[in-house]
Amino acid sequence: DVKVTQSSRYLVKRTGEKVFLECVQDMDHENMFWYRQDPGLGLRLIYFSYDVKMKEKGDIPEGYSVSREKKERFSLILESASTNQTSMYLCASRDSGAPLHFGNGTRLTVT
Amino acid sequence: KQEVTQIPAALSVPEGENLVLNCSFTDSAIYNLQWFRQDPGKGLTSLLLIQSSQREQTSGRLNASLDKSSGRSTLYIAASQPGDSATYLCAVSSGKYNFNKFYFGSGTKLNVKP
Repeated sequence: DVKVTQSSRYLVKRTGEKVFLECVQDMDHENMFWYRQDPGLGLRLIYFSYDVKMKEKGDIPEGYSVSREKKERFSLILESASTNQTSMYLCASRDSGAPLHFGNGTRLTVT
Repeated sequence: KQEVTQIPAALSVPEGENLVLNCSFTDSAIYNLQWFRQDPGKGLTSLLLIQSSQREQTSGRLNASLDKSSGRSTLYIAASQPGDSATYLCAVSSGKYNFNKFYFGSGTKLNVKP
């Protein structure tokens, strides 16, 4: 079974803090993704990566950056957290043409 | 831009009923379509993936069909159980140069009453 692990289930951070969300997959997948999910807005793609050190912007990249130094790990960085970044963050991975697999999510609250 | 719609937004049925969830999409040039379930506060669990060349996929009590020409997919759940209660989302992978671009519907929230 594919396992996508997000390091934290819940996080509370203060406005202006730098926040790191970590995601690890154990199936050697090429592609990894970060989404956020908000009531009424559904899932929106922030960034994805198709290889080590490669990244592409999704639909809402503003205020975020990503890092993929190793194939199994994809990090989402909030450079200066703001209250409008309070959300559920979901990491996913897949091989090309194969099913998308999600982690359990990180619920981030920025106060 | 691809738009994915799921109707109904919510559905409540008694245990044992067979039911159909609907997903429609505006651009038929898709690579594949995937159905997920999401339990409250959790991530999405993959149920079925249908490639663009396929018409249907089955897994246990679940059957998903795909009609690309009409831009529609259905998820059929046989003999529903209270444990099936969750939100069901469909997502299509499309985009001229980017098969990693997934577009999600807003989901159907299913409640199966004992």
